Amino acid sequence: GAGVSQSPSNKVTEKGKDVELRCDPISGHTALYWYRQSLGQGLEFLIYFQGNSAPDKSGLPSDRFSAERTGGSVSTLTIQRTQQEDSAVYLCASRRDRGPEETQYFGPGTRLLVL
Amino acid sequence: AQSVTQPDIHITVSEGASLELRCNYSYGATPYLFWYVQSPGQGLQLLLKYFSGDTLVQGIKGFEAEFKRSQSSFNLRKPSVHWSDAAEYFCAVGNTDKLIFGTGTRLQVFP
Repeated sequence: GAGVSQSPSNKVTEKGKDVELRCDPISGHTALYWYRQSLGQGLEFLIYFQGNSAPDKSGLPSDRFSAERTGGSVSTLTIQRTQQEDSAVYLCASRRDRGPEETQYFGPGTRLLVL
Repeated sequence: AQSVTQPDIHITVSEGASLELRCNYSYGATPYLFWYVQSPGQGLQLLLKYFSGDTLVQGIKGFEAEFKRSQSSFNLRKPSVHWSDAAEYFCAVGNTDKLIFGTGTRLQVFP
């Protein structure tokens, strides 16, 4: 079956603009995650959805970052008033269920460059 | 605090040589441990995972890892590296909700 897909694959924006990043999880996966991968920083957890609710938003770096998930499927990560330090690869992952034995499957990421 | 340390930023090996990538973790409870690989321009792929039981786990592509509780380590090994193994490798620790990743080790393979 299809894997996790993300769009766009690349995004270049100007400082101060808003951007929306989209994630389509694997069909039927109830858990969805957003991570950020900055150069030399590894992967940083941002937010986690179970269904449409977000029990853990602890990784969102500022109030400029928000995310929503609708219909238990597609998720959108929105960054308002982008800053240069927001430049990174944003990765989405989904998991069939919340159980720890379940594997997180990652999408290819959206590479964001803020000029 | 929960954390993962991968002390080697970059490792270079010759094709056919053995490989060990180090991972140390700090976690308050029984850890669930993972190794992922990221090839250039691609997403992360799970190599193997440890939850409980046998401390030596086998993964895909001929990789294995050993959980050593006394050393808080989960090192990844492969007896003979192939050129196609060149990639970035991430160790992670997690629970039900989220994964905490190390900063990664970039593997370069020389012919």
